[in-house]
Amino acid sequence: AQKITQTQPGMFVQEKEAVTLDCTYDTSDPSYGLFWYKQPSSGEMIFLIYQGSYDQQNATEGRYSLNFQKARKSANLVISASQLGDSAMYFCAMQQAGTALIFGKGTTLSVSS
Amino acid sequence: DAGITQSPRYKITETGRQVTLMCHQTWSHSYMFWYRQDLGHGLRLIYYSAAADITDKGEVPDGYVVSRSKTENFPLTLESATRSQTSVYFCASSVTGQGGTEAFFGQGTRLTVV
Repeated sequence: AQKITQTQPGMFVQEKEAVTLDCTYDTSDPSYGLFWYKQPSSGEMIFLIYQGSYDQQNATEGRYSLNFQKARKSANLVISASQLGDSAMYFCAMQQAGTALIFGKGTTLSVSS
Repeated sequence: DAGITQSPRYKITETGRQVTLMCHQTWSHSYMFWYRQDLGHGLRLIYYSAAADITDKGEVPDGYVVSRSKTENFPLTLESATRSQTSVYFCASSVTGQGGTEAFFGQGTRLTVV
């Protein structure tokens, strides 16, 4: 069965610093996708970044990058140069081919000035 | 407007009543999902659908019923609401189940069962 684990309930970072949010996953299927979503206090779910299991390079989207270590089954999100607007809940998610998208419990990121 | 919409946005209902949460998407995405979000639990999958007339249980399906007679609609029914079903419910859709494209979420429905 597939499973997503986010072990950091909360993270604190100062503006302009980089931060890494941890995510590990478990699956026996060689084909899967990994996602990160952001949920600000307003409640909407915002897609940030995607990594496919066969992708050779780590995904990047602006200040977001995904540190994909397949052998360790980890897909950590790195946010460079944090901004106050990055304060939110962050969810890691996984989808195996033909199945549902499942989520971890989330990490609350607080960015201070 | 294109996108995925949920209705109602807020709902208060009494224990034992049946309530239906609506979800409508305009993209003709194959996959649709229902999640509930509770503090400390993240998003937990209730049901999902790979296509019209195909549905499957998720992690927490008990007390819920879904149907998908049309590709664009995926209503979620609480047959007899209980206080433990007080939650924020999110509907989502994605093009395929291949994991290559992200899921798009509705705005959420905040349901309170009293």
